[in-house]
Amino acid sequence: NAGVTQTPKFQVLKTGQSMTLQCAQDMNHNSMYWYRQDPGMGLRLIYYSASEGTTDKGEVPNGYNVSRLNKREFSLRLESAAPSQTSVYFCASSEGTVPSNQPQHFGDGTRLSIL
Amino acid sequence: AQKITQTQPGMFVQEKEAVTLDCTYDTSDPSYGLFWYKQPSSGEMIFLIYQGSYDQQNATEGRYSLNFQKARKSANLVISASQLGDSAMYFCAMREGFWTGNQFYFGTGTSLTVIP
Repeated sequence: NAGVTQTPKFQVLKTGQSMTLQCAQDMNHNSMYWYRQDPGMGLRLIYYSASEGTTDKGEVPNGYNVSRLNKREFSLRLESAAPSQTSVYFCASSEGTVPSNQPQHFGDGTRLSIL
Repeated sequence: AQKITQTQPGMFVQEKEAVTLDCTYDTSDPSYGLFWYKQPSSGEMIFLIYQGSYDQQNATEGRYSLNFQKARKSANLVISASQLGDSAMYFCAMREGFWTGNQFYFGTGTSLTVIP
């Protein structure tokens, strides 16, 4: 089972370049999330989408945009990459039923370096 | 204020011994869920155990149990009979509110090393 698929797995960018990180899930989940993970900081939420057609800012949204393309896909875009955006990016999804004890399911991460 | 606090950056445990990883949380919402994840050196996030704010009993999943003390706002993970494969980063997380579409908040993690 694929679960949550992120592409690419690795990327090196120059400062000022743009790129889009792709995420797709095949579990029919309503909610999707983008996190960044930096050493000593844990996971910090960038943006999330509670359901198709909605997106909301998380803890660290500056410098990023997202698109919930359909129920399966949730992309993260860096319009003008900065060295401070060097990080590991995780996409996650979860069920949308209430009440629920369903956890988030994570992709394998994208390691992004900005020079 | 931090929503999730993990005060142990690193822990060591002897193989076959039990270990407790601490987690405290901060919320004024009566409905919330608490989760623990494991992140091995390979990088993937693995869900371990869940505790709901209205659950009367502490959650257990195999060798993992959650010591839930609601009044203290703590949700410590207990790993019994530690194995070498338990060496990893462990993250505590909380979802506020009833809806799974709500935000999840993560702690900074605890690095566990199991010594043979």
